[in-house]
Amino acid sequence: EAQVTQNPRYLITVTGKKLTVTCSQNMNHEYMSWYRQDPGLGLRQIYYSMNVEVTDKGDVPEGYKVSRKEKRNFPLILESPSPNQTSLYFCASSFLSRLTNTRQGNEQFFGPGTRLTVL
Amino acid sequence: ELKVEQNPLFLSMQEGKNYTIYCNYSTTSDRLYWYRQDPGKSLESLFVLLSNGAVKQEGRLMASLDTKARLSTLHITAAVHDLSATYFCAVESNTGTASKLTFGTGTRLQVTL
Repeated sequence: EAQVTQNPRYLITVTGKKLTVTCSQNMNHEYMSWYRQDPGLGLRQIYYSMNVEVTDKGDVPEGYKVSRKEKRNFPLILESPSPNQTSLYFCASSFLSRLTNTRQGNEQFFGPGTRLTVL
Repeated sequence: ELKVEQNPLFLSMQEGKNYTIYCNYSTTSDRLYWYRQDPGKSLESLFVLLSNGAVKQEGRLMASLDTKARLSTLHITAAVHDLSATYFCAVESNTGTASKLTFGTGTRLQVTL
């Protein structure tokens, strides 16, 4: 089954304790992205990756890191979490090429979400 | 900077009624996506609109795209309770070789009996 998986699904932690949220996709997508969802703000992009070893900042990258060592995995790292990073996080993936995806565009497929609480 | 606005933000409607959700965006794009999110769940893709005048229909939902007006609509026909969810539009923009989705803030739809 084609899917995007995230772990953990729920996490409660304390300020300053490093954590990693994993994301994996089995659709051979080049593009992967992390979003956070907060009430009234919709989804905001944190970081994205166009392919292995190619990552770039989104709209709200402060306090986050990512890596893309393999095509299928795109972990999100919070080196020193703070309470303002309490949020619902989604990983998403899609094909990248605008030219080869005239049928489905760059439709993004989302993981199940990770609800993070930082105390 | 691309801005995407949805309205209304909240919509309460009775079963059997029709209504339209609007998605306006601020810069040129010919690709727009609609997603549905149930409470506590992930986003599920509903429609992919890839050109001006595109129209897609699935059940009681129909989406359209007018790139000249920078407007997409999601029309609900004869609403049923199962359609209660939050609906997001997302506009694709291209920055060099990367494409990016910018999401609206969502429309929370509540269908009452």
